[in-house]
Amino acid sequence: GQSLEQPSEVTAVEGAIVQINCTYQTSGFYGLSWYQQHDGGAPTFLSYNALDGLEETGRFSSFLSRSDSYGYLLLQELQMKDSASYFCAVRNDQAGTALIFGKGTTLSVSS
Amino acid sequence: DTGVSQDPRHKITKRGQNVTFRCDPISEHNRLYWYRQTLGQGPEFLTYFQNEAQLEKSRLLSDRFSAERPKGSFSTLEIQRTEQGDSAMYLCASSSGTEGMGEQFFGPGTRLTVL
Repeated sequence: GQSLEQPSEVTAVEGAIVQINCTYQTSGFYGLSWYQQHDGGAPTFLSYNALDGLEETGRFSSFLSRSDSYGYLLLQELQMKDSASYFCAVRNDQAGTALIFGKGTTLSVSS
Repeated sequence: DTGVSQDPRHKITKRGQNVTFRCDPISEHNRLYWYRQTLGQGPEFLTYFQNEAQLEKSRLLSDRFSAERPKGSFSTLEIQRTEQGDSAMYLCASSSGTEGMGEQFFGPGTRLTVL
């Protein structure tokens, strides 16, 4: 089967750093994406890793280790507006069709 | 607004009725996806179009579900004989294939409630 595991909830305070882990077990693997979704909103793309290593985009960074079937999203200098659900998603075929999503991690940032 | 749009945003129907949702992707995007999302879960893939061709369907897409993209632009998702288990958010996404392969642009979704 296909599965992605990520923590269900994470809490932090403004200005802190948070790491959301994702481990995956899928029939194929061509890359790991991260999406943010605010309550009632649409998922929005944050980052994508096809190769091992760290990708940095502003306050957000994403890491991938294909040998460990593991990745993480690192959020720095947390702000209240970062309170949302974060999903990891695997692209499991070369044609780049469907994404397989995890169940999501709810991040709550307090002041 | 040049993003993905979906209509209607909310739909309440009685069990057994048919419903149809529409998705307008970003105009230059040739790939279109439908997902379903229930509370506390991530989006689950339903089906995928490249231009007007439906190239992939999930096992979640029972015979009661049908999707079309007649001219390779907008798409419709129809659910026949709705059941209470169909209550969910139905999300449409699009991509061009030229951006990063992990990036899809999602619409705001259609929330379906089956009574």
